[in-house]
Amino acid sequence: DVKVTQSSRYLVKRTGEKVFLECVQDMDHENMFWYRQDPGLGLRLIYFSYDVKMKEKGDIPEGYSVSREKKERFSLILESASTNQTSMYLCASRNRGGTEAFFGQGTRLTVV
Amino acid sequence: GENVEQHPSTLSVQEGDSAVIKCTYSDSASNYFPWYKQELGKRPQLIIDIRSNVGEKKDQRIAVTLNKTAKHFSLHITETQPEDSAVYFCAAHSGGSNYKLTFGKGTLLTVNP
Repeated sequence: DVKVTQSSRYLVKRTGEKVFLECVQDMDHENMFWYRQDPGLGLRLIYFSYDVKMKEKGDIPEGYSVSREKKERFSLILESASTNQTSMYLCASRNRGGTEAFFGQGTRLTVV
Repeated sequence: GENVEQHPSTLSVQEGDSAVIKCTYSDSASNYFPWYKQELGKRPQLIIDIRSNVGEKKDQRIAVTLNKTAKHFSLHITETQPEDSAVYFCAAHSGGSNYKLTFGKGTLLTVNP
């Protein structure tokens, strides 16, 4: 059974903190993605990675960075958390040339 | 880049009725169109998809149609059941080196018993 696992289900952080969201997949997928989900705005792509150490900006990269040092792990970093980054964050992975994207269970981040 | 518009944002139907959700895309190079279902508190999961060389695909009570000329695709659910209640997302993927899936904003479907 395929699995994408995010390190935390719920997270509360203070404004200005550096925040790390971790995602691990066990399917040997080349492509990994970070989305942000907000009511009425759907799934918006923050960053994606198509190989180890490779990354590309998505549609809303401002205020975020990513790291992919190993194929199975893709980290989203909020350099200095702000209240407008309070959201549900979803990680996904997908095989190169493949079809289905598999999602993690999501991390609900609250910045206070 | 790709832009995906999805309508309606909410849809309420009676059990047994049909439901139709429509999406349009902007990039004529897009060649893969999946639909995801997200139940409350759960992760999105693929329910059906279609490639650009096919006009229609069916899987039991759900079907997807694609009109490449008009750049729109639709999800059809027949004989709806309460367990079909969820948020549905359409998405589009351009081929080649673009690995992105661009999602619509979602449709909240409520099936009333």
